[in-house]
Amino acid sequence: AQTVTQSQPEMSVQEAETVTLSCTYDTSESDYYLFWYKQPPSRQMILVIRQEAYKQQNATENRFSVNFQKAAKSFSLKISDSQLGDAAMYFCAYRNLLTNDYKLSFGAGTTVTVRA
Amino acid sequence: KAGVTQTPRYLIKTRGQQVTLSCSPISGHRSVSWYQQTPGQGLQFLFEYFSETQRNKGNFPGRFSGRQFSNSRSEMNVSTLELGDSALYLCASSNGERSLYMNTEAFFGQGTRLTVV
Repeated sequence: AQTVTQSQPEMSVQEAETVTLSCTYDTSESDYYLFWYKQPPSRQMILVIRQEAYKQQNATENRFSVNFQKAAKSFSLKISDSQLGDAAMYFCAYRNLLTNDYKLSFGAGTTVTVRA
Repeated sequence: KAGVTQTPRYLIKTRGQQVTLSCSPISGHRSVSWYQQTPGQGLQFLFEYFSETQRNKGNFPGRFSGRQFSNSRSEMNVSTLELGDSALYLCASSNGERSLYMNTEAFFGQGTRLTVV
């Protein structure tokens, strides 16, 4: 079974500064996807960024970027130039591509607070 | 393109009752998966349906069941409700494909908040 670990329950960042969220995962598979989802108080889970395991290049979406270390099974999210709207709970998720289903395994989440 | 629609948004039920939650996926998506979110257990996978077939099931008791219709809409049912079933239930819609190269991201609904009293 795959496990996803987020070791930081809470993180606080000053507006306009940078914060990095950690995620590690455990898998013996070689083909998988990794995701970061954002869940604001409205509860809507929103995809922030996606990383395909076969790609060595780290994914980037505007102010969001990841540091994907496949050998270390690490997948951190960096939020640059933090904005008040970034305040939310962030979940790291894993999807195994070798099984014939669509199942996401989530970490426990990290609550991000942005200080004005 | 309409998003994922979950109904109802809020529900209060009494212990021992049963409940049915509904999820309408994005048009064209054939996969619907369900998750239970609680403060203590986090996000846990319940089951996934693809073209009316259950492809995977999480570690939940048999009181939790689901189905998917030919239009891809899905329902989940919880029978004999317990206090511990109080949670946010999220469904996710995707094309369900298993591809390294195709965009297969999952889109979530806003969830159904179930309170069991």
